[in-house]
Amino acid sequence: EPEVTQTPSHQVTQMGQEVILRCVPISNHLYFYWYRQILGQKVEFLVSFYNNEISEKSEIFDDQFSVERPDGSNFTLKIRSTKLEDSAMYFCASRGTSSRGSYEQYFGPGTRLTVT
Amino acid sequence: GQSLEQPSEVTAVEGAIVQINCTYQTSGFYGLSWYQQHDGGAPTFLSYNALDGLEETGRFSSFLSRSDSYGYLLLQELQMKDSASYFCAVRQAGKLIFGQGTELSVKP
Repeated sequence: EPEVTQTPSHQVTQMGQEVILRCVPISNHLYFYWYRQILGQKVEFLVSFYNNEISEKSEIFDDQFSVERPDGSNFTLKIRSTKLEDSAMYFCASRGTSSRGSYEQYFGPGTRLTVT
Repeated sequence: GQSLEQPSEVTAVEGAIVQINCTYQTSGFYGLSWYQQHDGGAPTFLSYNALDGLEETGRFSSFLSRSDSYGYLLLQELQMKDSASYFCAVRQAGKLIFGQGTELSVKP
């Protein structure tokens, strides 16, 4: 069964450093998302991406964040200057064209980002 | 503001039936989804309701009442492997807004 993959599984970085989190969505999907989950809390929407541009972004997704689809398979999230509060699990998700009556986003296994 | 309310934890025994409720107040509503998450791993899709009524998928069913801004997930014939966190999530156009999650513990 096709799945979303993410690398690395765990990233440790120092405050102020740049990080790039990588995702390979399911191959025929057109809609891509990043979410984050701070330990013990709910999953929070960051950004959605369609047709090579951002569709929507949350208040969390400020100027320090950017997304890119550099080629036909990868989807990346960059944090320019990490802060301690960016420590969280970051999930990538993708979605195909909705089948009738359904709306399913497929989530990757996540990248645990630890900022020290 | 936007809010989704669900119980923080529920405990049940193997073989039992459990219902996890979700009430929501959001600006914009396309439908209600349910996701399962084991130990902080990838959230896994369980069900989606866009219209009022009951959707059944095997041991899991989900219900929606749009007029009451309320839905629930019903898990039948509970198994130990059902111990996990369950999140309701409102679909707003192209994004999901998640609730805080319900930790389900299934005891022998």
